[in-house]
Amino acid sequence: QVQLVQAGAEVKKPGASVKVSCKASGYTFTGFYMHWVRQAPGQGLEWMGWINPDSGGTNYAQKFQDRVTMTRDTSISTAYMELSRLKSDDTAVYYCARGVWDILTGQTEYYFDYWGQGTLVTVSS
Amino acid sequence: DIVMTQSPDSLAVSLGERATINCKSSQSVLYSSNNKNYLAWYQQKPGQPPKLLIYWASTRESGVPDRFSGSGSGTDFTLTISSLQAEDVAVYYCQQYYDTPYSFGQGTKLEIK
Repeated sequence: QVQLVQAGAEVKKPGASVKVSCKASGYTFTGFYMHWVRQAPGQGLEWMGWINPDSGGTNYAQKFQDRVTMTRDTSISTAYMELSRLKSDDTAVYYCARGVWDILTGQTEYYFDYWGQGTLVTVSS
Repeated sequence: DIVMTQSPDSLAVSLGERATINCKSSQSVLYSSNNKNYLAWYQQKPGQPPKLLIYWASTRESGVPDRFSGSGSGTDFTLTISSLQAEDVAVYYCQQYYDTPYSFGQGTKLEIK
């Protein structure tokens, strides 16, 4: 069965960087885009960007363009999201979420069928 | 950017009754070339990640009970739970995937009356 397993919680100081991992299993890792979505405490969902695990190509939301880097290691079916120059309002649960491959059209679609359990990143001095 | 606005922010419905949640996009998410609405619905229970319920505005994800249905087109969409069950207590989000940045509504909290 498809599983996305994320690493445990992180505590970082303002100005530092954090790298969150997402290990995929139960499907062909390179066949599906991986997205990152965050959720601040008690708040809604915010899309950050995607990575194509096959090519390594990325697409970031403009808001995070200068601070986020998404990478992958295909040998261990793991995607990473690194956010730099952390601020207190970056405190959130960060989710990885698998994009959909529509077998009827042969196209990638940008809604999410499987999600990781989330990684809480706390930014505090 | 496309802004998604849900209404109401919270909703209390009796068990067995119908629950209706609305979602409005700031611009159409209907792609004319394939006549598909790029709109999904998710359910999020406390301490859990979101779960996909509906995509293409009205297609139920495999395994989702048929009491959940989606409707609408263009800019106005609705998620309906035909007969509320206790396990449906959650926050519900709509999401547009028509254009980046892919955006979510603010969420609607559904409770039992």
